[in-house]
Amino acid sequence: AAGVIQSPRHLIKEKRETATLKCYPIPRHDTVYWYQQGPGQDPQFLISFYEKMQSDKGSIPDRFSAQQFSDYHSELNMSSLELGDSALYFCASSSLGSRENAYNEQFFGPGTRLTVL
Amino acid sequence: EDQVTQSPEALRLQEGESSSLNCSYTVSGLRGLFWYRQDPGKGPEFLFTLYSAGEEKEKERLKATLTKKESFLHITAPKPEDSATYLCAVQSKDNYGQNFVFGPGTRLSVLP
Repeated sequence: AAGVIQSPRHLIKEKRETATLKCYPIPRHDTVYWYQQGPGQDPQFLISFYEKMQSDKGSIPDRFSAQQFSDYHSELNMSSLELGDSALYFCASSSLGSRENAYNEQFFGPGTRLTVL
Repeated sequence: EDQVTQSPEALRLQEGESSSLNCSYTVSGLRGLFWYRQDPGKGPEFLFTLYSAGEEKEKERLKATLTKKESFLHITAPKPEDSATYLCAVQSKDNYGQNFVFGPGTRLSVLP
């Protein structure tokens, strides 16, 4: 079965550079979520999109932005990178057709490991 | 503020030694509690969703239960391949929207 695809899998950037992470949800999934997981920490919710509209916002820094496109893939744009941004970034998708239940049964991608030097 | 705690932080079991993991939560307007399994360097793998107190769900050697304040993940006769970090997460809703908070996880090691 098709799973959530994330690219790139690994990314190395310098401080103050920008990065773009991509997420391709499971086919027919309409909701995408972004999480940041630091070393030894639990995933922290950043932002989510339902039907191409931002649905909920978590602890996403102002330096980051995201969007969901017409084909439901999503991109997380990160600017002015800091050392503390080094983490695993997970994308998850779900599809229950209802925004009220949009957090149920999220399927996670393999993650993008971002290293900021 | 929604809070999720898990205990123990780490658990080491012998193969076949059953045990339980705890997830305690304080949220306003609980909409669901979720259990995930995460292997090192990989994304969390969905296990269960529980919606209301008294609900139970089972999958192979795992059984999840929910009360108004906590959830338990019971592992019966675990095998070494059950070794992973088990994450609990809660979904809540307040006036600002929906919230999804993970607990810190329990790191389970099952020794052969």
